[in-house]
Amino acid sequence: GAVVSQHPSWVICKSGTSVKIECRSLDFQATTMFWYRQFPKQSLMLMATSNEGSKATYEQGVEKDKFLINHASLTLSTLTVTSAHPEDSSFYICSAQKRSRGYEQYFGPGTRLTVT
Amino acid sequence: AQTVTQSQPEMSVQEAETVTLSCTYDTSESDYYLFWYKQPPSRQMILVIRQEAYKQQNATENRFSVNFQKAAKSFSLKISDSQLGDAAMYFCAANAGGTSYGKLTFGQGTILTVHP
Repeated sequence: GAVVSQHPSWVICKSGTSVKIECRSLDFQATTMFWYRQFPKQSLMLMATSNEGSKATYEQGVEKDKFLINHASLTLSTLTVTSAHPEDSSFYICSAQKRSRGYEQYFGPGTRLTVT
Repeated sequence: AQTVTQSQPEMSVQEAETVTLSCTYDTSESDYYLFWYKQPPSRQMILVIRQEAYKQQNATENRFSVNFQKAAKSFSLKISDSQLGDAAMYFCAANAGGTSYGKLTFGQGTILTVHP
């Protein structure tokens, strides 16, 4: 199997606070993890690529100081939304690639973030 | 850079009938992979089918098949014997090599409605 979990599935936070989202590959080691953002009825927008033990690579237009990504191990990546504002409210999805099948991504169930 | 285009924002089909979702792509890489993902209301991304560009034979997975036209850069998805559970948003995606290795580029998505 190739199961990816995300925690929490839904979080509400106050404007100005920070929130951390965890992404774990449960039954495989992930060479690379990806973080996406998705608005309702829209496509997935890649935010950043995360490799274990190295700095994340952010897509153009994504604020690296606002969206902190840490890939602490081959099974865990975290996304921290710092000083959250209502416009950061969105659905965040992570995915992970297996070491042996670099072309395929396995997706987590997503995290709904609401900033009040 | 690679691009993926889905020109059908919405499609509908009667239960048990067949529907085809369109997708075109563009990439300068010779080695790439194409995917169709399904995103039901739960928002969990589910891999429906994959196609490796070097394989001429069209991929099939039970009721799902693709029409891969490499020269035309076209990658359509055919769903046969449609079921109510097929209702979802469908995304076409490409994963090319080179500097974008491992990254998925998604199309805009097609919302599929299945009528009983």
